[in-house]
Amino acid sequence: AQSVTQLDSQVPVFEEAPVELRCNYSSSVSVYLFWYVQYPNQGLQLLLKYLSGSTLVKGINGFEAEFNKSQTSFHLRKPSVHISDTAEYFCAVSERDDKIIFGKGTRLHILP
Amino acid sequence: ETGVTQTPRHLVMGMTNKKSLKCEQHLGHNAMYWYKQSAKKPLELMFVYSLEERVENNSVPSRFSPECPNSSHLFLHLHTLQPEDSALYLCASSQGEGQKNTEAFFGQGTRLTVV
Repeated sequence: AQSVTQLDSQVPVFEEAPVELRCNYSSSVSVYLFWYVQYPNQGLQLLLKYLSGSTLVKGINGFEAEFNKSQTSFHLRKPSVHISDTAEYFCAVSERDDKIIFGKGTRLHILP
Repeated sequence: ETGVTQTPRHLVMGMTNKKSLKCEQHLGHNAMYWYKQSAKKPLELMFVYSLEERVENNSVPSRFSPECPNSSHLFLHLHTLQPEDSALYLCASSQGEGQKNTEAFFGQGTRLTVV
């Protein structure tokens, strides 16, 4: 069965510093991978997705993620964060022909 | 604006009340979902509808009753809820059967408080 692990429940980062949010998954078959962002009092919004092809995926708001099959990881990165990036970030995995499973989320705190 | 609209945004109800949450999508998708998001818990998939038929029910108590009259509308009927049912209820839609192979588009959620 597929599962998603986001090891960090909270990540504090200074403004304009780089950030990496970690995501590891387990699955016995090929998967699709997603990162969603949830701003306060909002629903989830898709940041980026990996379906196939290039392992480096670029998304909205300057975020990118790299699919690493050998390490079963899909870490999210941004070279320079802004105060507006304060939100909760969810990694999700979908086995082909199956439902999407979400991680527990990582809350990103931007420090001035 | 994601194309998925949920009403109401906030709801306070007593344990003996009956209320309904509404979700509408304008994306032409044929699959819709209800999720529950509680504090410090992962997102919980409650129900999945594909082509207006329920394809998944994740052991949700019967006090939650979904209804999907057409591919654009999804309801969650609530009755005799418990305080632990207080949460953010999120609706989502996607193109394709169930959640196969595509990302989900989420509404802004209904913040439910049971008193």
